Amino acid sequence: GEDVEQSLFLSVREGDSSVINCTYTDSSSTYLYWYKQEPGAGLQLLTYIFSNMDMKQDQRLTVLLNKKDKHLSLRIADTQTGDSAIYFCAEIFTGTASKLTFGTGTRLQVTL
Amino acid sequence: DTGVSQNPRHKITKRGQNVTFRCDPISEHNRLYWYRQTLGQGPEFLTYFQNEAQLEKSRLLSDRFSAERPKGSFSTLEIQRTEQGDSAMYLCASSFTLTYNEQFFGPGTRLTVL
Repeated sequence: GEDVEQSLFLSVREGDSSVINCTYTDSSSTYLYWYKQEPGAGLQLLTYIFSNMDMKQDQRLTVLLNKKDKHLSLRIADTQTGDSAIYFCAEIFTGTASKLTFGTGTRLQVTL
Repeated sequence: DTGVSQNPRHKITKRGQNVTFRCDPISEHNRLYWYRQTLGQGPEFLTYFQNEAQLEKSRLLSDRFSAERPKGSFSTLEIQRTEQGDSAMYLCASSFTLTYNEQFFGPGTRLTVL
C-alpha cells in the first residue's frame, strides 16, 4: 500500500545540522522527494533521488536512501532561520509516473 | 514570472455555492496536476492531465468536482454545491513529459466554505 510517515516536529539551533526522516512502505517507488513549504505558500521542490541511488548531495542538502529499511532522510547542514518550514517527503510509484504521494510533513523550527 | 500561477489565491464562499479555480502551468509543461491539502496534512492527489486529456482521477474527486484543460494549457477546477469539508488549499503542479518526475507547484488557492 501507499503510506509515507514522518515525525511531526524537529527543533534545532541555528548553525547545527538538521536530519529529517521519512519511512515508506511501498518498495516499487521510483523517485523519492523532499519538498519545502513555508507558511501560506505552495511547495518548493528541494531535491529528489532515484530509487537505485543511496545518496545525493546538493550544496547544504544530503539525501540518504536505505531501500532495505525503506528509510529516506534529509540532512541540512548549517541550518539557518530561513530553513524554518514544513518538509514533506513524497514518492512516485513505478508505473504511475503521475501522482506524488506525500507524508504528513515535519515542521522544522530553527532557534537562535 | 515563469512559475506556476493560480487564481484566486483565496476564496471564501457559502455552503452550496459553486467555485472555480484556475491554474496556469509553466509554459512548456504538458502535464498538469491538481492536489488538495487540508490543515496539518500533506497534499493528496486529485487528478492529472497530459495535454488536454485527463488521464487519472482520484477517488477523492467526487462528482461535485470537475476539472478541465481544454487547450492543453491552463486548467480549471470547479466545485459545485460546496460543503464545509471542501475547505482546503488546492494546489496545482506541472511537469514536462521527459522530466515527469520534477513537479513544480503553484502557490495554491485557499478555499474557505462557511
